[in-house]
Amino acid sequence: KNQVEQSPQSLIILEGKNCTLQCNYTVSPFSNLRWYKQDTGRGPVSLTIMTFSENTKSNGRYTATLDADTKQSSLHITASQLSDSASYICVVSAGSRTGGYQKVTFGTGTKLQVIP
Amino acid sequence: DTAVSQTPKYLVTQMGNDKSIKCEQNLGHDTMYWYKQDSKKFLKIMFSYNNKELIINETVPNRFSPKSPDKAHLNLHINSLELGDSAVYFCASSPRPGPSSGNTIYFGEGSWLTVV
Repeated sequence: KNQVEQSPQSLIILEGKNCTLQCNYTVSPFSNLRWYKQDTGRGPVSLTIMTFSENTKSNGRYTATLDADTKQSSLHITASQLSDSASYICVVSAGSRTGGYQKVTFGTGTKLQVIP
Repeated sequence: DTAVSQTPKYLVTQMGNDKSIKCEQNLGHDTMYWYKQDSKKFLKIMFSYNNKELIINETVPNRFSPKSPDKAHLNLHINSLELGDSAVYFCASSPRPGPSSGNTIYFGEGSWLTVV
């Protein structure tokens, strides 16, 4: 069964500090992994996407890593800002690289709160 | 603005009623989805359509009936609403149904359904 587990479930950090969110998955065949940010009361928005051959991808202060061997990913947020307060959802797509439909599995998210 | 838009954003209704949520995307995407986000913030796919054709139908009660009049619209009709249907429903779209890395899923802002 395809599963995506995230940790921690919630996190409170001081503004300006760094933090790292974890994602472990058991999805096969692996196609790609995305991190989404979901602000309260809004829809999820894509931050990064990584395929099997990529092990790091940055988007501003967000850096995602992927270890396809251990099936783990992390999202590192540098110099956090109050606007980073949101839920961060790890999303893993399974599917044949030669075509067909992708099956997407969502993690339960990490709720991050950045306080002044 | 180019986006996935869904209406209504908030809906409070009594048990047993029938209600619809509408969704439109002007991104030119071929594939559209309905997701349900429960109280634990877990996103789960309900349906997916590609060019008006149903391609994914997870185990959803047949009280839920999606309708896609064209590839830019995917509406969700719910009959005989139950208390357990209370959730946030997200419409989404992607360029195509396959698992390629460029196939990011774009989400609408959500529709908060409360059944009383």
